[in-house]
Amino acid sequence: AQSVTQPDIHITVSEGASLELRCNYSYGATPYLFWYVQSPGQGLQLLLKYFSGDTLVQGIKGFEAEFKRSQSSFNLRKPSVHWSDAAEYFCAFTGNQFYFGTGTSLTVIP
Amino acid sequence: ETGVTQTPRHLVMGMTNKKSLKCEQHLGHNAMYWYKQSAKKPLELMFVYNFKEQTENNSVPSRFSPECPNSSHLFLHLHTLQPEDSALYLCASSQGLAGAYTGELFFGEGSRLTVL
Repeated sequence: AQSVTQPDIHITVSEGASLELRCNYSYGATPYLFWYVQSPGQGLQLLLKYFSGDTLVQGIKGFEAEFKRSQSSFNLRKPSVHWSDAAEYFCAFTGNQFYFGTGTSLTVIP
Repeated sequence: ETGVTQTPRHLVMGMTNKKSLKCEQHLGHNAMYWYKQSAKKPLELMFVYNFKEQTENNSVPSRFSPECPNSSHLFLHLHTLQPEDSALYLCASSQGLAGAYTGELFFGEGSRLTVL
């Protein structure tokens, strides 16, 4: 079955610390992968996407993600988290339709 | 104009009311979507339209009635809703349908619906 798994429901990090959000997918081929961010009461904003080529992709707001085919993963990283990064993060991929993970809620403590 | 605009942003309605949510996209996309986002639950796909034609109805109750008059506009007509229908309703668009075109979804800000 095609699916996206975000194993961490909630993560708390200190401002300035590094961040890694995990994402695993299940799909029979190489999917097109995305990370979205959602601030409270807002829609989803695209952070970055992977279609092909370099497996390390850069996105907005200083985020990057690495596609690892062998692990069926597409983890999101940021070297130094800012308080404004507190939000809900969704991993997604598109095969024959769009599939979204259940999200990871990020809290940033000063 | 922002890419995908949803109105109203907030809506409170009684169970016997009839209201509509509106979505407009200014991106020249061909596909439009309605998603429901409830607290503590995954994003739920409701309807998909491609070139004004409905391509997916994800077993949505008939009290939700979508309308897509053209590729830029999408409506969700609401009637005799239940309190459990209270949620954030998100509209999205994409250049084409997943699988046919490698594009991403562009989301609106959402319409927060409260059913009393």
